[in-house]
Amino acid sequence: AQSVTQLDSHVSVSEGTPVLLRCNYSSSYSPSLFWYVQHPNKGLQLLLKYTSAATLVKGINGFEAEFKKSETSFHLTKPSAHMSDAAEYFCVVSFQGGKLIFGQGTELSVKP
Amino acid sequence: DAGVIQSPRHEVTEMGQEVTLRCKPISGHNSLFWYRQTMMRGLELLIYFNNNVPIDDSGMPEDRFSAKMPNASFSTLKIQPSEPRDSAVYFCASSSRASGGRADTQYFGPGTRLTVL
Repeated sequence: AQSVTQLDSHVSVSEGTPVLLRCNYSSSYSPSLFWYVQHPNKGLQLLLKYTSAATLVKGINGFEAEFKKSETSFHLTKPSAHMSDAAEYFCVVSFQGGKLIFGQGTELSVKP
Repeated sequence: DAGVIQSPRHEVTEMGQEVTLRCKPISGHNSLFWYRQTMMRGLELLIYFNNNVPIDDSGMPEDRFSAKMPNASFSTLKIQPSEPRDSAVYFCASSSRASGGRADTQYFGPGTRLTVL
């Protein structure tokens, strides 16, 4: 069975400090993994995806994530937070047939 | 590229009324997904289509919900009769996925915010 767990429901950082959003997955085979971002009252936008190429994946807006098979993790990071990064972030694992399983989301707050 | 288009963006209706949500996927995409998002349950997949054919509707909550995809460029999600607990944001997403291939990126529409009074 496949599942995804986002370890923090809410993360708060100061502008200019690093961001770490944690995600662990469970998959019976080599998964495809995604991070999506949702700004208030908006749809979901793809940040980045992992599909068994390089384990360090770079996405938009300075975000990146590292696939660690031994830890079954796919944490999202950014060296320096910006006010515009405040949003909800979803870690997503693929399922057979193209279905996606979404984590419960992590709300990121950025303080000035 | 216009992206995934959904209409209406907002819908307010009264309990018992029929509601129809519409989606136009990205041209050339062959998979279409309907999701529902609520505070309590997060994002839930309701149904998805490959090449206009419903593949998995196990997420559809009950018989009041139905979805169709008459052609590659249009899909509807209908609720009849609607109930207050159906209030949520409904998202449509599309992707281009080769048969038997890995899950490809899903591109989401802006959503329809449904309020059932």
